[in-house]
Amino acid sequence: SQTIHQWPATLVQPVGSPLSLECTVEGTSNPNLYWYRQAAGRGLQLLFYSVGIGQISSEVPQNLSASRPQDRQFILSSKKLLLSDSGFYLCAWSVSSGIYEQYFGPGTRLTVT
Amino acid sequence: AQSVTQLDSQVPVFEEAPVELRCNYSSSVSVYLFWYVQYPNQGLQLLLKYLSGSTLVKGINGFEAEFNKSQTSFHLRKPSVHISDTAEYFCAVNSGGYQKVTFGTGTKLQVIP
Repeated sequence: SQTIHQWPATLVQPVGSPLSLECTVEGTSNPNLYWYRQAAGRGLQLLFYSVGIGQISSEVPQNLSASRPQDRQFILSSKKLLLSDSGFYLCAWSVSSGIYEQYFGPGTRLTVT
Repeated sequence: AQSVTQLDSQVPVFEEAPVELRCNYSSSVSVYLFWYVQYPNQGLQLLLKYLSGSTLVKGINGFEAEFNKSQTSFHLRKPSVHISDTAEYFCAVNSGGYQKVTFGTGTKLQVIP
C-alpha cells in the first residue's frame, strides 16, 4: 500500500531564516506530487505541483520554491521566511494519469516568529 | 476551468441529528467529485468519491453524497451525526485529464452534545 510521509511535524522559525520541508511517498512510482498551504481560515492553497523529476509548476508567486530530486521526494524551501509564511503545509500525491484523486500527508505546522 | 463552491463555512448541528453539507461545482467537461475530511492538525482523508455510475455514493463513517448533474451539486449527508464527526469537510473536483484538483473553501461541522 502507498504511504506518504512529511517532516518535520512542527517547526518554529524566526523571520529571515531558511526553510526546508520534505515529503516522501512509498509504494508507488512516478506519482504527481503537490504542496498546499492552509492559512488560518483560508482553505487550501495549491503552491506547487510536479509531474516528474525536476518538473515543477508554480501556482502562486512568492518566496517559496520546490524541488523534486527523486521520483518520490518533494521538497519545499525558502531562503528567507516571512511572517506570512506561517501555516499548515500539506503534501499530497496522485497517480500520474487518469483520475487525479489525491492522498495527503499528515502535514507540517510552521510558525514564523 | 473547474471550480467548487461550498456555501456554508460553518454548520452547527446537535448530536444524532441529520446533516447536509452543500457543494456546487462548475466544469465544462465531465467531472470526478470528492469529499475529504480534516480533523484538527491532521492531513485530509478521503471520505468518498464519485467517478461514474450510480449517483448515490457511500463513503466511510456513514456519510453519503449524491451527484446531481442538472444542478451541478454534490451534497454530503449523514442521517445521524456523532461528536466524532466534528471536523472540517472539503469538497473537490477534478475534470478528467486535468492534473490538478480544485478544492472548496471548506465547511466546519460542529456537533453539539
